[in-house]
Amino acid sequence: GQQVMQIPQYQHVQEGEDFTTYCNSSTTLSNIQWYKQRPGGHPVFLIQLVKSGEVKKQKRLTFQFGEAKKNSSLHITATQTTDVGTYFCAGPRDSGGSNYKLTFGKGILLTVNP
Amino acid sequence: DTGVSQDPRHKITKRGQNVTFRCDPISEHNRLYWYRQTLGQGPEFLTYFQNEAQLEKSRLLSDRFSAERPKGSFSTLEIQRTEQGDSAMYLCASSLTSYNSPLHFGNGTRLTVT
Repeated sequence: GQQVMQIPQYQHVQEGEDFTTYCNSSTTLSNIQWYKQRPGGHPVFLIQLVKSGEVKKQKRLTFQFGEAKKNSSLHITATQTTDVGTYFCAGPRDSGGSNYKLTFGKGILLTVNP
Repeated sequence: DTGVSQDPRHKITKRGQNVTFRCDPISEHNRLYWYRQTLGQGPEFLTYFQNEAQLEKSRLLSDRFSAERPKGSFSTLEIQRTEQGDSAMYLCASSLTSYNSPLHFGNGTRLTVT
């Protein structure tokens, strides 16, 4: 079945450093989404990418969808302690692309040393 | 928009007991989802409703699990004869019907089976 992989599962950075993480799918995705889960919290939707090669920015966060629509990246510029949390990527499981059945990666826990 | 509400936040039960969780989605959202999350993992899809109709159930959802959404508003998830392996965070999410609408998660119900 479809797999969405995020490696590594943990990353520790010094405040102010940049951070990049990657997400790889075993199948081509119609879209890819990123969620953030703060410690003790619930996943919160960040962004959705649909087009091949699409790049979207949210303040210090830059998201990219790969040309083959099988991978994605999240880059954070000048990390802050507010960036702490687990970042999940997720893609629709069915070929139609409807978001009702998402496959999530295991996530990467980002910790930031002040 | 008060967000997705789940009750209770925490439930501790003894093995073999039945438990029921409730989810109140965002009022204008027709779609409602149940996901399960264990430590170090991303959310895993359990089941999905479009209004009151349960349209899909994951193979993860054994016969001991049942979900309802009788009036197309709130939903309940019941687990009968709980087992220690059922210990997890049970997340409810809702979304609009439109294609590619992102999921809005509730705070979850953390179940501990002793």
